[in-house]
Amino acid sequence: QVQLVQSGAEVKKPGSSVKVSCKASGGTFSSYTISWVRQAPGQGLEWMGRIIPILGIANYAQKFQGRVTITADKSTSTAYMELSSLRSEDTAVYYCARDQVVDKIITGAFDIWGQGTMVTVSS
Amino acid sequence: QSALTQPRSVSGSPGQSVTISCTGTSSDVGGYNYVSWYQQHPGKAPKLMIYDVSKRPSGVPDRFSGSKSGNTASLTISGLQAEDEADYYCCSYAGSYVFGTGTKVTVL
Repeated sequence: QVQLVQSGAEVKKPGSSVKVSCKASGGTFSSYTISWVRQAPGQGLEWMGRIIPILGIANYAQKFQGRVTITADKSTSTAYMELSSLRSEDTAVYYCARDQVVDKIITGAFDIWGQGTMVTVSS
Repeated sequence: QSALTQPRSVSGSPGQSVTISCTGTSSDVGGYNYVSWYQQHPGKAPKLMIYDVSKRPSGVPDRFSGSKSGNTASLTISGLQAEDEADYYCCSYAGSYVFGTGTKVTVL
């Protein structure tokens, strides 16, 4: 069974960037889409964007366009999410999640989640 | 894209049923059958409970069921149990993803 293991907590200064990793183990990586979802303290879930590792194609939520970059390294089965120009409002838990495929069809749901990475933005 | 609208909280006694609504528009919930539901316990990652409006992944109890009418999707938990106390989020996929505002389920 595939597991997604994320990198550890980060503390960043306003204006800086953060790069979070998400390593897949126990299954095929490239053929699935990996999304990034964040959750500010006490708030709901927010989709940021996704990547199809086998194609290297990413697309982003309009809110984060120009500030987020999602990449993938097929050789290490790892996806990355880099967020720049950090501000206090970016303080959140960042999750990677796999897009579910059933009978070779994407269902639009996330069936496997990483454990989450806390990113704190503070001066 | 605006977040889908869910009630802030619902509650029920053990054994009862509760229903959580998730209201969107014809551009998301109403336009596609890509509605999913997630359960999240404090400090944990979300867990997929329902996909494609009403399908349950393997391992999810059949106490959980989903439906949709027009622009509103619903999650029903029948035979409420203590471990069902959690936050629940709906999600709609229409080229991009939009989540609901979240509902806290309390077991009295």
